[in-house]
Amino acid sequence: AQKVTQAQTEISVVEKEDVTLDCVYETRDTTYYLFWYKQPPSGELVFLIRRNSFDEQNEISGRYSWNFQKSTSSFNFTITASQVVDSAVYFCALSDSGSGGGADGLTFGKGTHLIIQP
Amino acid sequence: DADVTQTPRNRITKTGKRIMLECSQTKGHDRMYWYRQDPGLGLRLIYYSFDVKDINKGEISDGYSVSRQAQAKFSLSLESAIPNQTALYFCATSDLQGGEQFFGPGTRLTVL
Repeated sequence: AQKVTQAQTEISVVEKEDVTLDCVYETRDTTYYLFWYKQPPSGELVFLIRRNSFDEQNEISGRYSWNFQKSTSSFNFTITASQVVDSAVYFCALSDSGSGGGADGLTFGKGTHLIIQP
Repeated sequence: DADVTQTPRNRITKTGKRIMLECSQTKGHDRMYWYRQDPGLGLRLIYYSFDVKDINKGEISDGYSVSRQAQAKFSLSLESAIPNQTALYFCATSDLQGGEQFFGPGTRLTVL
């Protein structure tokens, strides 16, 4: 069965600090996809990144970067020089090929509430 | 216009009432999903559909039913609402297995 663990329930930092959000996943499949979504206070879900299991290259997009390590089943997300607008709940999610009998769709972690203080 | 729309956006109902949440999409995707979000629990999959003839249960389907009226429309029904179905409900679409899912704005449902 699939599982996504976001052990950090809430993180609070001061603006301009760097912050890393942890994500650990479990799946029996060799083909799977990992995602990060952002949910600002307004409630919508904003897609940030999708990464397949065969691509372990780290990715950087502006102040955002992602570190994918299959050896530790982790897909961590770092915000550099955080800003107040980064305050939101961040979800890590997993989709595998379903060969293990699991449902299609995303398995989400419980989310990390990130608070950026001015 | 938004690619994935949900109606209503907010709904308050009473225990025992039947209620339907509707989702429409203009992305032309075959795959559609319904999720439920509870505080501190993330999102959980209720039902999903690959096309109008293919409906599948997700992790938490008890107490819910769905209807795929067309490729673009996927409705979620609560036959007899109960208070613990109070939650934020999201519809999503995707064009392939493991693809990005595009979410609607959500429906906030309160069952009194």
